[in-house]
Amino acid sequence: DAGVIQSPRHEVTEMGQEVTLRCKPISGHNSLFWYRQTMMRGLELLIYFNNNVPIDDSGMPEDRFSAKMPNASFSTLKIQPSEPRDSAVYFCASTRNTAGNTIYFGEGSWLTVV
Amino acid sequence: GQQLNQSPQSMFIQEGEDVSMNCTSSSIFNTWLWYKQEPGEGPVLLIALYKAGELTSNGRLTAQFGITRKDSFLNISASIPSDVGIYFCAGQVGTYKYIFGTGTRLKVLA
Repeated sequence: DAGVIQSPRHEVTEMGQEVTLRCKPISGHNSLFWYRQTMMRGLELLIYFNNNVPIDDSGMPEDRFSAKMPNASFSTLKIQPSEPRDSAVYFCASTRNTAGNTIYFGEGSWLTVV
Repeated sequence: GQQLNQSPQSMFIQEGEDVSMNCTSSSIFNTWLWYKQEPGEGPVLLIALYKAGELTSNGRLTAQFGITRKDSFLNISASIPSDVGIYFCAGQVGTYKYIFGTGTRLKVLA
């Protein structure tokens, strides 16, 4: 089975540019998570969806960040405008929303804003 | 907010030694998960624990879900160089949310 698929794997962009990160969860999983990882703050939950509906976006740092899940097989995380402090690894993860569920991660999108 | 305190932050050990790391919290969790992350990769699930007191093994790895549901430990026996990486605990809160520990960086000296 294919795992969680993220794109791009690496992106370098200039400050002020729009960044869009994409995620395809594991087929059949109905919960999707966006995490950000930095050396200073570790793994931070930004937002999660259940059945395509955003459940908790309290981790989204500010209005420059937005996330959508238009269908069960696709989600985007957008940063507009990007800033150097947004440089981090962004992980998408998914799980099947049943008892005893475990969460599976993609390989991450490595973002550098210069 | 809820936090997971993971210790130690880093470990340097000799090949063949056993390793122990743990996570504690003031909150109760429904599920504990242990992950390993290697450079340039996403976290990969090692062990999942679903019941208080549960002890589960996966090869040389053993993990336990604390009786109070506020802690968990992971042991690695007879470490080898490929055990190098960052180990994370994660606790499930409510139905959907997972909180991650700060990670334990493990280095194994051959």
